[in-house]
Amino acid sequence: KAGVTQTPRYLIKTRGQQVTLSCSPISGHRSVSWYQQTPGQGLQFLFEYFSETQRNKGNFPGRFSGRQFSNSRSEMNVSTLELGDSALYLCASSLGPTGDETQYFGPGTRLLVL
Amino acid sequence: KNEVEQSPQNLTAQEGEFITINCSYSVGISALHWLQQHPGGGIVSLFMLSSGKKKHGRLIATINIQEKHSSLHITASHPRDSAVYICAVRLRGGSNYKLTFGKGTLLTVNP
Repeated sequence: KAGVTQTPRYLIKTRGQQVTLSCSPISGHRSVSWYQQTPGQGLQFLFEYFSETQRNKGNFPGRFSGRQFSNSRSEMNVSTLELGDSALYLCASSLGPTGDETQYFGPGTRLLVL
Repeated sequence: KNEVEQSPQNLTAQEGEFITINCSYSVGISALHWLQQHPGGGIVSLFMLSSGKKKHGRLIATINIQEKHSSLHITASHPRDSAVYICAVRLRGGSNYKLTFGKGTLLTVNP
């Protein structure tokens, strides 16, 4: 079974631009979560989707948004990029909605904002 | 104060040594995860615990719900175990699902 895939793997943007990151979960997994990882703050939860519905959202500004499609693939969007948005963005998938299940992580998208 | 505290932050060991990484949390949880992150970013889920103890190969994870504490042990450590180990908890209650992470423990195992 293929693992979680994320595209693109690397991205360079400038301040003020917007970016869309994509995540394809493991086949059969219906829950997708997104995380931001920076050297200063470590890993932080962004949001979680199950069956096309956002179930939870972390403490990030409204510039961060996401969605999930009927095939469970998910995208996250960051508008009006700031230097502090430079980070590794990870998505993880799991089978169901409970949260108490093993999460399978993708390789991440490394975003650099100049 | 961070809801999840890990210790030590950095750990250097010689190959073959027994390793212990600790995780303490301050809130009620429904599950605790141990994750491993190698240089380059890839994260692997090692264990998910809600009580007791789990073992996989040379790795053992324990949790004490009353004391709000978990430990990850590595027996007969090997240089390939060098990685960052991250503890994460899922807060208890409702349908909210949010993983809160510790800052990680950087483990270096020298040959």
